[in-house]
Amino acid sequence: AQKVTQAQTEISVVEKEDVTLDCVYETRDTTYYLFWYKQPPSGELVFLIRRNSFDEQNEISGRYSWNFQKSTSSFNFTITASQVVDSAVYFCALSEAYRDDKIIFGKGTRLHILP
Amino acid sequence: GAGVSQSPSNKVTEKGKDVELRCDPISGHTALYWYRQSLGQGLEFLIYFQGNSAPDKSGLPSDRFSAERTGGSVSTLTIQRTQQEDSAVYLCASSLNRGLHSLHFGNGTRLTVT
Repeated sequence: AQKVTQAQTEISVVEKEDVTLDCVYETRDTTYYLFWYKQPPSGELVFLIRRNSFDEQNEISGRYSWNFQKSTSSFNFTITASQVVDSAVYFCALSEAYRDDKIIFGKGTRLHILP
Repeated sequence: GAGVSQSPSNKVTEKGKDVELRCDPISGHTALYWYRQSLGQGLEFLIYFQGNSAPDKSGLPSDRFSAERTGGSVSTLTIQRTQQEDSAVYLCASSLNRGLHSLHFGNGTRLTVT
């Protein structure tokens, strides 16, 4: 069965520090998709990235980077030089593409960036 | 519309009453998902539709919960005989096609059962 674990419930860092949000997943499928979403204080969830199980290449987008490691079933998200606007709840999610396409979310990590 | 629209944005109801929550997905999106977000509990999957059919209803918490989608567009989530534990934000999301594409979320309906 699908499962996504975000062990960090809440993290606080000072602005400009780097921070990594952990995500560990469980799946029986060999084909699956992983996602990260951001939920700012305004409440609307925003898609950040999708990665398929066949692509383990790390991805960088500005100050955001993602480290996908199948060997440890992890898909961690790093923000470098954090800013106050990065304060939000971040969710990791998993979809087993060839089963029921149900997208399962982790419980989220609340990130506080302190000025 | 440009995004996923949910109504009402807020709903306060008395315990035991029925409520209907509406979701209007992005035009052309065939997949539609309902999630529930309780305080500190993350996003709980409820149900998803591919077109008008619901391949997976396993997330519905009880038989008081039901959902339908007609015309491959608007969806309604109905909660009968509401209980206080049903209080949460109910989020709807749509996707171009199944789970392979990113979800576009609405702003949610905040349900409070008194």
